[in-house]
Amino acid sequence: QVTLKESGPGILQPSQTLSLTCSFSEFSLSISDICVSWIRQPSGKGLEWLATICWEDVKIFNPSLTNRLTISKDTSNNQAFLKITSVDTADTAIYYCARSQDNSGYFDYWGQGVMVTVSS
Amino acid sequence: DIQMTQSPASLSASLGETVTIECRASEDIYSNFAWYQQKPGNSPQLLIYDANSLADGVPSRFSGSGSGTQYSLKINSLHSEDVASYFCQQCNNYPFTFGSGTKLEIK
Repeated sequence: QVTLKESGPGILQPSQTLSLTCSFSEFSLSISDICVSWIRQPSGKGLEWLATICWEDVKIFNPSLTNRLTISKDTSNNQAFLKITSVDTADTAIYYCARSQDNSGYFDYWGQGVMVTVSS
Repeated sequence: DIQMTQSPASLSASLGETVTIECRASEDIYSNFAWYQQKPGNSPQLLIYDANSLADGVPSRFSGSGSGTQYSLKINSLHSEDVASYFCQQCNNYPFTFGSGTKLEIK
């Protein structure tokens, strides 16, 4: 059973750096054509794709946030990471990680999401 | 960026009814398109991919169609467990983009 689970700080202050971890099981980011993406959803609103990292370490970012995003992976420990610098209240959202395969761009498994609140 | 225009924003229908949700892309996305269902308090789940392929475990009352810039999701014989928000997504070009969602309720 493929699972993904996000973890993060819960709350942080404006201008800080948000660090998120996605821990997954029953698949590997060292296997061909597997990617993990980060997607966020402000409360009661729509979905925004943020970034993707794939098995061959290709990294793709949403241009609206490119300068603020870092994505990385630890294949030995089945984890993927996202950092967002200089957060502000607009970054308050539920953050999901999700898997895609076969370079399809469809997210077939999602984590439960982690709520991140940016507040002073 | 490819804009995804989804309609309606909300929908109320009776049990057993058939409902249709539509999504229009701002340019041709060559059926690189998916639908997701998000039940209250849960993460989205893949329903349809490649515009018309049913994801694993999805009931056959769900179906997708469309091509080019116009796509639709049809739910036959509405069940109570179909109460959810539905989102479309294009994955033809980065950045991947989603529709704004349709909230489906039972009358």
